[in-house]
Amino acid sequence: QLLESGGGLIQPGESLTLSCRVSGFDFHTFAMAWVRQAPGKGLEWVSGITSGSRSNTDSEESVRGRFTVTRDISRNLLSLHLNALTEEDTALYYCARTSRKWLDRDVFDLWGRGTLVVVS
Amino acid sequence: ILLTQSPGTLSLSPGERATLSCRASQSISSTHLGWYQQKPGQAPRLLIFAASTRAAGIPDRFSGSGSGTVFTLTIDTLEPEDFAVYYCQQYGSSPLTFGGGTKVEI
Repeated sequence: QLLESGGGLIQPGESLTLSCRVSGFDFHTFAMAWVRQAPGKGLEWVSGITSGSRSNTDSEESVRGRFTVTRDISRNLLSLHLNALTEEDTALYYCARTSRKWLDRDVFDLWGRGTLVVVS
Repeated sequence: ILLTQSPGTLSLSPGERATLSCRASQSISSTHLGWYQQKPGQAPRLLIFAASTRAAGIPDRFSGSGSGTVFTLTIDTLEPEDFAVYYCQQYGSSPLTFGGGTKVEI
């Protein structure tokens, strides 16, 4: 199960941290990602983190340098740190798990319900 | 890799067949393409990975095909619960990208 939290109404330029609490599987063996969906729009991959001890990260170009994804294995927690937010970042942010262990890139077979970030 | 889905909206009746297209701006390595279904107020649901392999629990009326830059999702005999938005996603290279979606409506 994936359970996101931390969304809310925030002013442009401010920062926010989203959390995704993971349960029911070996967190460190799967790559994870954040995917967002602006109101009435499609899906957009935002940031991802690889499995295991490497925990390499990558982000979509428009958020690179502003958003950072981290993983705390001891707490089963995936986080997304959002800085310098703009109105274009308004979206429902989903936490998602890749479908197969140890793959850096894959489809996502497990999704949370999302947490809404409104920048205004 | 830019993914373009067509048509934007598909208007069909239950029992009909739906054919959805996903075209990539460059070849997707090793058919690393997936399909998702999303209903209002719900998270996406994985249907297909590796272009043609159904995910666990997905009915066999859903099938995927294609390679390179052209991929297709076919839904045989639409059921009432199949009316939703469908997205393709490539995972052959970073950044991962999604198509803009096709809405299948009654």
